[in-house]
Amino acid sequence: DIQMTQSPSALSASVGDRVTITCRASQSISRWLAWYQQKPGKAPKLLIYEASTLEGGVPSRFSGSGSGTEFTLTISSLQPDDFATYYCQQYDTYSTFGQGTKVEI
Amino acid sequence: EVHLVESGGGLVQPGGSLRLSCAASGFTFSSFAMYWVRQAPGKGLEWVSTISGSGGSTSYAVSVKGRFTVSRDTSKNTLYLQMKSLRAEDTAVYYCAKTTAVTALYWYCDLWGRGTLVTVSP
Repeated sequence: DIQMTQSPSALSASVGDRVTITCRASQSISRWLAWYQQKPGKAPKLLIYEASTLEGGVPSRFSGSGSGTEFTLTISSLQPDDFATYYCQQYDTYSTFGQGTKVEI
Repeated sequence: EVHLVESGGGLVQPGGSLRLSCAASGFTFSSFAMYWVRQAPGKGLEWVSTISGSGGSTSYAVSVKGRFTVSRDTSKNTLYLQMKSLRAEDTAVYYCAKTTAVTALYWYCDLWGRGTLVTVSP
């Protein structure tokens, strides 16, 4: 099975900060990676797919990059609505989620 | 408007069975692969199962293989998850999710339901 490891598990940041979350795959997944945002008590929301394609309606301050085994999600200027938990998901072979990164104030 | 609404969750004893349903609306249900994803209390997301648009192909996580069965009824626009031999570690919110995959079995999910809670406890 492909394991997905996110880092950090949690981070503290302020409004306006640039935030970067990393997701590493245990083997190459090409660019078959998605990022989701989840707020407490809510379903996940798709942000990015195919490593760097922004889902419609998602603010442009979110961006994704990477290929192979290392990927990043960047929030260029953190907004109050962005405090949430973020998950990566590989869909190259079966499907696996990372353990999540909680972005806190 | 596109919607997914799960139902069927509840409290069940260890070893028991439960069937979850997911009613879909606002899109051509038979065109896309569908996922079940679960989230144990305070934990992360775990992929559970996938079914192709036609229903002809299915896949399961190792943790549920042989105990859970995914199916779909395109006439009712409904996705199902039959769960048996339930264990305490199956306690979670179960989400159904739509992919944009027409032919692939594994894909990203662009639409999620609100989830239904399954609690396995004596």
